[in-house]
Amino acid sequence: DIQMTQSPSTLSASVGDRVTIACRASQSIHEWVAWYQHKPGKAPKLLIYEASIVASGVTSRFSGSGSGTEFTLTISSLQPDDFATYYCQTYDTYLAFGQGTKVEVK
Amino acid sequence: QVQLQESGPGLVKPSETLSLTCNVSGWPISSSDYYWSWIRQSPGKGLEWIGNVHYSGAAFYKPSLKSRVTMSVDTPRNQFSLKLSSVTVADTAVYYCARREPSGSYFGYWGQGILVTVSA
Repeated sequence: DIQMTQSPSTLSASVGDRVTIACRASQSIHEWVAWYQHKPGKAPKLLIYEASIVASGVTSRFSGSGSGTEFTLTISSLQPDDFATYYCQTYDTYLAFGQGTKVEVK
Repeated sequence: QVQLQESGPGLVKPSETLSLTCNVSGWPISSSDYYWSWIRQSPGKGLEWIGNVHYSGAAFYKPSLKSRVTMSVDTPRNQFSLKLSSVTVADTAVYYCARREPSGSYFGYWGQGILVTVSA
């Protein structure tokens, strides 16, 4: 099975910061990666699919990049609504999620 | 807009069957391009895909859960369901239903989740 490893597990940041979250796959998954935002008690929200395509209705502050085994989610200027946990997911031959990165207030 | 909402018992006894329903609004569950999914997150652990079901009845399950999982669709009610048999404490988790997008096995819409505790 494919393993998805996110780093860091927790990220402390301030409003206005540029934030980058990394996701590494245990084998090549081409560009079959999605990213989600999850807040407690709420439905997870799709942000990015196919590594870099921003989902409909998602602010352009969010961007994704990468291919093969290394992927990143970037928030260009962190806003108060962006404090949440973020997950990557591969949907290559296997379906697997990363363990999550919590973005918290510094 | 598309909305999903899970419902079912929050407490199940060990060895019994966990049964959950996902009500879908804003989108016909009989749309042929879409599969409907269940995903769970155990306390302190990551997200785990359980399986997908199509309104035609076609279903695909995670191999390690396949012997215990049944998913089905109720088209008139625009709902789909999950049954997980012979549960143990390891099945305690927040269970999410979601819509799998046709262009790949990622999930465009999710429910907010329901906590199911397995305990005597």
